[in-house]
Amino acid sequence: QKEVEQDPGPLSVPEGAIVSLNCTYSNSAFQYFMWYRQYSRKGPELLMYTYSSGNKEDGRFTAQVDKSSKYISLFIRDSQPSDSATYLCAMSGWDDYKLSFGAGTTVTVRA
Amino acid sequence: DSGVTQTPKHLITATGQRVTLRCSPRSGDLSVYWYQQSLDQGLQFLIQYYNGEERAKGNILERFSAQQFPDLHSELNLSSLELGDSALYFCASSPRAGGDNEQFFGPGTRLTVL
Repeated sequence: QKEVEQDPGPLSVPEGAIVSLNCTYSNSAFQYFMWYRQYSRKGPELLMYTYSSGNKEDGRFTAQVDKSSKYISLFIRDSQPSDSATYLCAMSGWDDYKLSFGAGTTVTVRA
Repeated sequence: DSGVTQTPKHLITATGQRVTLRCSPRSGDLSVYWYQQSLDQGLQFLIQYYNGEERAKGNILERFSAQQFPDLHSELNLSSLELGDSALYFCASSPRAGGDNEQFFGPGTRLTVL
């Protein structure tokens, strides 16, 4: 079993829809949770960075962390074709130097 | 633009050869991380340097090595290349060394081994 599980999709939604992405993890030591967006053949771009449980909102993006369930989510409201990309969850522990990544979910927003 | 630069963008070479990938971190960042991204393995951590010293190692092969120089740029050396080493290699940087630490990724180097 992988340390971080993420459904690879693909996920296809119409423009304006809410995109819902999630990851589960097994390592209870994870404290820091991130979402990256990666366009084809480009470097991952940091979208959201959260610590421990709770919600964080930034524009059209909302990240949720539920440590008791070892489950994190990313919601994209009013999705746009420019949101079409692969979304990667990542996490680390207090003393971790590395990020543990999910496999990534490929999202297509149809105009 | 994350502020992290990587060269070259693309590299095509033959099996058995040696290549060097270069990374310049964001201004002020002391940590540099190297990751490998392949279709079947996803993003895998290779190695981290902090202010010139090696801090952590992941699943890095013995044929691979890295270093960080006094000006904080880093190089990843890959030798005795095999077909399976074909992948995207990313460098990331962050201000500090520990877990509470946003990592910013460069554009990557695409390595093709023929």
